[in-house]
Formats: sequence, structure tokens, C-alpha cells
Amino acid sequence: QITLKESGPTLVKPTQTLTLTCTFSGFSLSTSGVGVGWIRQPPGKALEWLALIYWNDDKRYSPSLKSRLTITKDTSKNQVVLTMTNMDPVDTATYYCAHYSGWIDYWGQGTLVTVSS
Amino acid sequence: QSVLTQPPSVSGAPGQRVTISCTGSSSNIGADYDVHWYQQIPGKAPKLIIYDKNNRPSGVPDRFSGSTSGTSASLAISGLQADDEADYYCLSYDSSLRGSVFGGGTKLTVL
Repeated sequence: QITLKESGPTLVKPTQTLTLTCTFSGFSLSTSGVGVGWIRQPPGKALEWLALIYWNDDKRYSPSLKSRLTITKDTSKNQVVLTMTNMDPVDTATYYCAHYSGWIDYWGQGTLVTVSS
Repeated sequence: QSVLTQPPSVSGAPGQRVTISCTGSSSNIGADYDVHWYQQIPGKAPKLIIYDKNNRPSGVPDRFSGSTSGTSASLAISGLQADDEADYYCLSYDSSLRGSVFGGGTKLTVL
């Protein structure tokens, strides 16, 4: 059974760096074709794809946020970490991590991150 | 402004059939990249309902179906039920962006 869970701060101040961790089970990020991605959703708004890391360490980023995002993996810990620099109130959103096997088929429950001073 | 355009809302009466469109371009749907569809109940994580244009994960009823034509994709829901009321999102890959993109979402109201 594949499960994913996001963890990190619920409140960050403007200009700070956000670090989110996705801890997963039921699959290995060393298996060919598998990836873990991050998606966010501001309150009342649409889903926005952020980043994806594949089993072979290939990384993809949303062009509009690429300069602020870094995605890394720790295969031995079954974790994927997303960092986003220079946080702004418009980055307030629920952040989801998700399992990829050609498409997103499993999602974490999401974690709400509020950016406010 | 999403790369994939969906109508903000659609509605239908119980038992009816509705369709939700997802309009893209030659760098995503038109390039024959797969389209996937997700259902999201407010306050919950999205749920995969269609993958690879028209395949349903186990447990998703066959009332849900997907199709593509040119630069557009569609999700059809037949025999509308009250618990189909949710937000629906399409997802595809865009070669210009070198990443995945979501549609702007469509709110389905069951009258």
C-alpha cells in the first residue's frame, strides 16, 4: 500500500525559506520509472504543479518557480525534500506530495503552509 | 492563466450526462501527451479517476470516461449522482515547459 505524508512548518515569515519533507512507504524511489512530485493549492484556487524528481535523480521544475525551488531525495530514508526560497504571502497554500508512475496516482493528505509576518 | 483551459463550472441533474473539457495546445495535448483526470472533494486530496486518456483505476465506476481530440480532452460523467459533486482537474505534460501542467479546474454541481 502506497502512502505519502508531508511535514514541515505551518507558518513561515515573508522572505524565509520553506522546507517540506515527504515521507513515503509502499514503494522505492530507486525503482525505474518512479517519481515523487510536489503540487500546491492556494485556498479556493486551482492545483499548481511545482516539481518532480525521478528514480534516476532527473529533476523537473515549474518554469515560473524554478529559481526558487530545489527538490532532493534520500532513497535510504524514503524521503523527498522540497525547498522554496523567498516565501511571500501569495505562496500560502496546501502543499501536496505525490507518487508518479507515468502519472500522479497517489497523493499525500497535504499540509497547509501560511506565509505571514 | 493555466496552459490547460477548463470551464469554471458545469452542472447537471441526477441521472444526466455531463462533459468537462480541457483545451490545450500543440505542446501538450496536441502533441499526444497523455491526459489524466482528478476528482477533488473540498478539503480532501485529489483522487485519480482517469489515466492515460481513458483508463480507470480500480474502484472508479465506468460512468467516468475520458477522450481526446486534437488539442482537447474531455471527461464525461454519465448517470450523474449527488456524490459526483466536486472539482475536476485535467493534467498533462507540456514539452515547452518541460513539466506537467494542471487545468484550472471545473466545479461540478449536481442540481
